[in-house]
Amino acid sequence: DARVTQTPRHKVTEMGQEVTMRCQPILGHNTVFWYRQTMMQGLELLAYFRNRAPLDDSGMPKDRFSAEMPDATLATLKIQPSEPRDSAVYFCASGSPQWASGGNTIYFGEGSWLTVV
Amino acid sequence: GNSVTQMEGPVTLSEEAFLTINCTYTATGYPSLFWYVQYPGEGLQLLLKATKADDKGSNKGFEATYRKETTSFHLEKGSVQVSDSAVYFCALRGDTGFQKLVFGTGTRLLVSP
Repeated sequence: DARVTQTPRHKVTEMGQEVTMRCQPILGHNTVFWYRQTMMQGLELLAYFRNRAPLDDSGMPKDRFSAEMPDATLATLKIQPSEPRDSAVYFCASGSPQWASGGNTIYFGEGSWLTVV
Repeated sequence: GNSVTQMEGPVTLSEEAFLTINCTYTATGYPSLFWYVQYPGEGLQLLLKATKADDKGSNKGFEATYRKETTSFHLEKGSVQVSDSAVYFCALRGDTGFQKLVFGTGTRLLVSP
């Protein structure tokens, strides 16, 4: 059963520490999204990759956040240094090549639940 | 830019009641519209979609019709079950640019026995 895999599922860290979240998209998918979910803001798009190239990261705070795709099977989202306001659930989603041409849907991972104290 | 507005929750219903969750959108061109559902502790799952005006998406007893004249995509179900308790998100994908998926704020549904 193909699925998007995210690690870690839960992370508690102290303010100022570096946090790295990882995502393995579904095999064959070439589109990757990072979303952040909070009670106050709902779902916010942080970054969007196609064929490993960043297409849109306008929603991501550039001073502390960075997103990369070292290869087609791994996407990373890094926060350095982390702050309490970064506490949220971070979702990765992937889409097939058909997504770009208007078809299909994107598939979400189960999320990384981050708490910064 | 593109945006989605959903009714605020929570929506509280008794089992077998009729459900409507309102969703309206703002977009240029001909967007595709989606409903996603999120169960506690899980990621979002596609519930249904519609890609052009007057299309009706349906799945698991849920339906939504793409109404371009009213820019709406309201979610309905004739008889809800306790297992339908979840958060429902309306979403839009534009037909230009990078095809980002833009979500509404979500509506929590609570169904009691």
